[in-house]
Amino acid sequence: DTGVSQDPRHKITKRGQNVTFRCDPISEHNRLYWYRQTLGQGPEFLTYFQNEAQLEKSRLLSDRFSAERPKGSFSTLEIQRTEQGDSAMYLCASSLVPMAGGQNEQFFGPGTRLTVL
Amino acid sequence: AQSVTQLDSHVSVSEGTPVLLRCNYSSSYSPSLFWYVQHPNKGLQLLLKYTSAATLVKGINGFEAEFKKSETSFHLTKPSAHMSDAAEYFCVVSYGGATNKLIFGTGTLLAVQP
Repeated sequence: DTGVSQDPRHKITKRGQNVTFRCDPISEHNRLYWYRQTLGQGPEFLTYFQNEAQLEKSRLLSDRFSAERPKGSFSTLEIQRTEQGDSAMYLCASSLVPMAGGQNEQFFGPGTRLTVL
Repeated sequence: AQSVTQLDSHVSVSEGTPVLLRCNYSSSYSPSLFWYVQHPNKGLQLLLKYTSAATLVKGINGFEAEFKKSETSFHLTKPSAHMSDAAEYFCVVSYGGATNKLIFGTGTLLAVQP
């Protein structure tokens, strides 16, 4: 399967613990996005990378969140000192860099569902 | 702020009858518009997209949507619902720029009754 993959698919943790999620994008895609989806809502943008550079972060991304894409391939999203409000589905998407003024399709992974007890 | 509004949180239709899922967007300048579908335990899948070409856009699985600038709408339709269409549907807008980030509506859960 050459689609976007995410690991783990499910994570249950206790409040205060740190968690890390991994996203493997489609291999030739140089853009990688993270979104968060809470129950009953649509996904919300968190951050994105172009190659290894993190170019934008949403105000939703508090200081406890950090994302990396060290070699411009896979990415990790770490949440430190988890809180119950962090419980959500974390989605990763990848795309090619669009032409100026254009819009390329973002391909989504299956997500990591985080439950903080 | 840029946004998209899905007017119905739940829609229920009978198999074989038409589907209409409504979406309105806020208009600051020309957006790109998308419909994504999310089946349980599966990733979001693109159904169709509008990027300033033809206003009537055809997508996968018999879905289509019409961009109406005067009404700032992008409603999703299908002539005849199938049981496999039961899923959550998201209307999505992107205003391009450097990020090309997607702004999702709150979703419409489509139920298809036999």
